[in-house]
Amino acid sequence: EPEVTQTPSHQVTQMGQEVILRCVPISNHLYFYWYRQILGQKVEFLVSFYNNEISEKSEIFDDQFSVERPDGSNFTLKIRSTKLEDSAMYFCASKPRTDSYEQYFGPGTRLTVT
Amino acid sequence: KQEVTQIPAALSVPEGENLVLNCSFTDSAIYNLQWFRQDPGKGLTSLLLIQSSQREQTSGRLNASLDKSSGRSTLYIAASQPGDSATYLCAVRRGPFQGGSEKLVFGKGTKLTVNP
Repeated sequence: EPEVTQTPSHQVTQMGQEVILRCVPISNHLYFYWYRQILGQKVEFLVSFYNNEISEKSEIFDDQFSVERPDGSNFTLKIRSTKLEDSAMYFCASKPRTDSYEQYFGPGTRLTVT
Repeated sequence: KQEVTQIPAALSVPEGENLVLNCSFTDSAIYNLQWFRQDPGKGLTSLLLIQSSQREQTSGRLNASLDKSSGRSTLYIAASQPGDSATYLCAVRRGPFQGGSEKLVFGKGTKLTVNP
C-alpha cells in the first residue's frame, strides 16, 4: 500500500541553523500539508499546499518557514533560522483530490534544536 | 475558533475490558471527524473517519460514533488488548461549503494503557 515517507527520521541542529525536512507524498496525491507536534502538546496545522502554492497557513507559519515542491515527488519544509522552540515532531500529509476525505500522514521527522 | 477536547487524558484498564474514549468539539459545523492512533515517538495511524452525515463507523473491534449537534464523538474499543496501548487522537475538519479549510484540528489525545 502506498505510504507518505519522510526523511530524516531525526534531525539535530544548532540554534540559528537552517533545516530542510523532506517528504515524499503518495504519488497521485495533489494536496500536501505540514503539521507539527511539540512534545506533550497537540498536533498543530502549519500549512497546506496545492497547485504549487500555499492555500492556507497558520499563525505559526511565519517568515522563518517556507515550503516547496521542487520536483514531481518531493515536498519540503524549510526553517531558515531554527529556534529552540522549533523542536518538535513534524508530520507531512497528503490527499489525492478535492472530494477525498482523508489526509494520509507520514511517520514524522523529529527535529531537535540545541 | 474550533477547540477539540479529549477526556480522559489517560486511562488504564485490564486486558479484555471494553472501553470508551471521548472527544468533544466546540463548533458543530464540521465536515468530518477522524480518530488516530499514535505510538510513542511515532506517526499517526488513521483508525476511523466519520463524515458529518454519518452516525458511526466500525472497523474490527473499534466503533466510532458522532453526534454532531452536541459536538461529541466516542471511540469504543471492544475486548481491549495490550497491543491497543497507545495515545488516541481525535481530529475534526470544517468543510469546503462551510467556508472551512483543509486543516485538521486535533485534540490532545487519550493515553491508553491496557494491562495484561
